[in-house]
Amino acid sequence: QKEVEQDPGPLSVPEGAIVSLNCTYSNSAFQYFMWYRQYSRKGPELLMYTYSSGNKEDGRFTAQVDKSSKYISLFIRDSQPSDSATYLCAMEGAGNMLTFGGGTRLMVKP
Amino acid sequence: ETGVTQTPRHLVMGMTNKKSLKCEQHLGHNAMYWYKQSAKKPLELMFVYNFKEQTENNSVPSRFSPECPNSSHLFLHLHTLQPEDSALYLCASRHTGFRTDTQYFGPGTRLTVL
Repeated sequence: QKEVEQDPGPLSVPEGAIVSLNCTYSNSAFQYFMWYRQYSRKGPELLMYTYSSGNKEDGRFTAQVDKSSKYISLFIRDSQPSDSATYLCAMEGAGNMLTFGGGTRLMVKP
Repeated sequence: ETGVTQTPRHLVMGMTNKKSLKCEQHLGHNAMYWYKQSAKKPLELMFVYNFKEQTENNSVPSRFSPECPNSSHLFLHLHTLQPEDSALYLCASRHTGFRTDTQYFGPGTRLTVL
């Protein structure tokens, strides 16, 4: 079993839809949770960074962490074609090493 | 992309060539990382440097040789690579002293081994 599981997609939605992206993990030591966005042929760009359980909102993006279920989510409201990218979840325990999911490819159609 | 830069952005090399990838960070970070990203696979951590000292070598073949002359620069020296080494090589940096911070990535070098 992989340490971090993420559906590879592709996930195709119409413009304006609410998008839900998810990751599950097995290591209960993870405390820090991140979402990165990666456009084609570019490096990952940090979108959201959260610590422990709870919600964090930044504009159209909301990150949720449920440590009891070992489940994290990223919601995108009013999705735009420019949101089309691969979204990577990442998590970290006490050290400085990130463990990444495989990424979910999102396509927002006009 | 001005925080972490990588050169070259694209590289095509034969299996007998020797080449180097360069990464530079302008963020004042003390840790730098090399990752390999292959199609349909999660990011694979290769090497970690913390204050110029290598702290992680994730069972990477010796045909990949990292070098970190200072906290701002990181190199990946390549020799006698195999076609399966073709991938996007990403550099990242972070400040390990701040728990509210995480890794920031460069744009990557797209490597093709013929």
